[in-house]
Amino acid sequence: AQSVTQLDSQVPVFEEAPVELRCNYSSSVSVYLFWYVQYPNQGLQLLLKYLSGSTLVKGINGFEAEFNKSQTSFHLRKPSVHISDTAEYFCAVSDLGDYKLSFGAGTTVTVRA
Amino acid sequence: GAGVSQTPSNKVTEKGKYVELRCDPISGHTALYWYRQSLGQGPEFLIYFQGTGAADDSGLPNDRFFAVRPEGSVSTLKIQRTERGDSAVYLCASSPGGGTHEQYFGPGTRLTVT
Repeated sequence: AQSVTQLDSQVPVFEEAPVELRCNYSSSVSVYLFWYVQYPNQGLQLLLKYLSGSTLVKGINGFEAEFNKSQTSFHLRKPSVHISDTAEYFCAVSDLGDYKLSFGAGTTVTVRA
Repeated sequence: GAGVSQTPSNKVTEKGKYVELRCDPISGHTALYWYRQSLGQGPEFLIYFQGTGAADDSGLPNDRFFAVRPEGSVSTLKIQRTERGDSAVYLCASSPGGGTHEQYFGPGTRLTVT
C-alpha cells in the first residue's frame, strides 16, 4: 500500500514570497504523482501531475513540482504567491497501472499581505 | 460543461439509520471513484467503478458500505446502520478512463451521524 507524507501541516507565507510544500512517498514500484488544491468551500482541483518524462512539471497558477525518484519526493513550489493561493494542498500517488489515489494529510497554506 | 455533482451537500442522520449518497459524474466519463475525507486528513479511497462494475472495492471499510452504478453513469454510495465514526465528507470523482489518470472531483457530501 502507498504511504504519502506531507511534511508540513501548516505553512504561513507573505504575499509575493516563494513557497515550497514538501511531499514524500513510499512505494516499491513506479508511481504517478499529483498535487491537488482545495480552495475554501470548493472541491479538489488538479494543480499538476507527473506521469513520465521530464521530472520538472509545470501546472496551473504558476505552480511547479519536481519528481526526485532517489529521494521519493515530489515537492511543490511557487516563486511568488498571491493572497488567492490561500488553500489546502494535497499530494497524491498512484501505482503504475492502478488508478486509485493515496493522499497525504494536506498542507494548509495561508498567504498574508 | 457541468462538473461532477453530489447530492445532498449535507446529510445529518441518527446512529443506526441507513443513508444513500448520490454522485453524477461528468458526462461520458467511464471511471468513477468514491473517497472519504475525515476531519484533518486527506481523502481515503473507498471504491472504483469502470463502467457498471466495481473494479476495485478494497477501500470499503466493512460490509455496511456498498456502492452501485447500474447504468454506468450515476452512482450511489449506501451506508447501513450508520455509526458516529462514519461522519466525514464523502467525495466522488470521475475520469474519462482509457488510461487517463486525471480525476475530477465533486464538492462532496458532508455526512454527520448523531
